[in-house]
Amino acid sequence: GNSVTQMEGPVTLSEEAFLTINCTYTATGYPSLFWYVQYPGEGLQLLLKATKADDKGSNKGFEATYRKETTSFHLEKGSVQVSDSAVYFCALSASRGGYGQNFVFGPGTRLSVLP
Amino acid sequence: SAVISQKPSRDICQRGTSLTIQCQVDSQVTMMFWYRQQPGQSLTLIATANQGSEATYESGFVIDKFPISRPNLTFSTLTVSNMSPEDSSIYLCSVEAGRIGGEAFFGQGTRLTVV
Repeated sequence: GNSVTQMEGPVTLSEEAFLTINCTYTATGYPSLFWYVQYPGEGLQLLLKATKADDKGSNKGFEATYRKETTSFHLEKGSVQVSDSAVYFCALSASRGGYGQNFVFGPGTRLSVLP
Repeated sequence: SAVISQKPSRDICQRGTSLTIQCQVDSQVTMMFWYRQQPGQSLTLIATANQGSEATYESGFVIDKFPISRPNLTFSTLTVSNMSPEDSSIYLCSVEAGRIGGEAFFGQGTRLTVV
């Protein structure tokens, strides 16, 4: 079946540090890939997505590239801010054959950014 | 995009009682999804709710414990029945963009504590 693995947290960084959160996936067919962010006390918000190999998703300084050869979708940001402190979820979606999509979420990585 | 309103946002309930969570979407959607997020964990799909038919439950979830209603194309409820402390979780309502590669949208979640 489909699955998503991402690096264990928590990750603690100083402000302006470089961020990488690794994500790899297992899927049949051609999934779409997503990064979601969950701020304290809130639901999940879409951060970025990529729908085919070599696509790069980007938003708010974050980016991730869909790498089919390594089945990866690592999240990066060049300079994190305190306001980026949240839990980040890597996810994939795959067709259910005309019955919508099946979303699978990784375990989440908690990021804390210190001033 | 879709705006999803969920209520209550949080509740503390006595064991053995039931809680009904409401989910309202600002547009008509065919399928609505209910997820559970246990403390420090990722999202697990409970069931898919289609208007006009019975909900489809994932392995490990049963209708007697999590009855779902879907009276129209913009509204659904999830009831957590005969609660125990193990049911303490965040419950999230979700809809999808309705196309392959489209993202999932989430409500802000209902944080349930069972004492």
